[in-house]
Amino acid sequence: EAGVAQSPRYKIIEKRQSVAFWCNPISGHATLYWYQQILGQGPKLLIQFQNNGVVDDSQLPKDRFSAERLKGVDSTLKIQPAKLEDSAVYLCASSLDPGMNTEAFFGQGTRLTVV
Amino acid sequence: DAKTTQPNSMESNEEEPVHLPCNHSTISGTDYIHWYRQLPSQGPEYVIHGLTSNVNNRMASLAIAEDRKSSTLILHRATLRDAAVYYCILRDGLAGGTSYGKLTFGQGTILTVHP
Repeated sequence: EAGVAQSPRYKIIEKRQSVAFWCNPISGHATLYWYQQILGQGPKLLIQFQNNGVVDDSQLPKDRFSAERLKGVDSTLKIQPAKLEDSAVYLCASSLDPGMNTEAFFGQGTRLTVV
Repeated sequence: DAKTTQPNSMESNEEEPVHLPCNHSTISGTDYIHWYRQLPSQGPEYVIHGLTSNVNNRMASLAIAEDRKSSTLILHRATLRDAAVYYCILRDGLAGGTSYGKLTFGQGTILTVHP
């Protein structure tokens, strides 16, 4: 079974530039999560999708971050404009359904450096 | 969100058992106890989960207190490959709930395994 695919693996941009990350979840997984992980901290949930609808985006900085999940499959996370404090690893995860008996699978992440 | 409390770090010797504790005194009846771990430079990976009864799988065992206010992840024979950050997470299993399926990570426990 193919895992969660993310691209790019690494990205370096200057502050105030824009950047987009892509995630392809495991086939058939209804739930998709985007996390931000700053060095030395646990992952922080940015947004959770159930199919193509947003379930939780309470911690997404909506003035600069946006995310979409077209057709309930792939997802993109965008930052515009980027700030220095956005430097982090962005993790995508998916699960078959959010129910109690299913686990979440994580991608390798995209490491973003804002200079 | 229901919170969990874990020690910041623990150490073990190779081939010895490891008991990783987690306190979750505000757990609700529909919360499942999930454990994930994160190896260096990787995304988190699922370890085990349970509701009320103790659980075993090929990776670990999960012991849940009778009142469900605490749990312990047990690695029966630690290897160097088990060195990671271990996260204890409460995941709401109530369909339709506002936090349904949400995976909220804390700081976790850094496990160091000595040869």
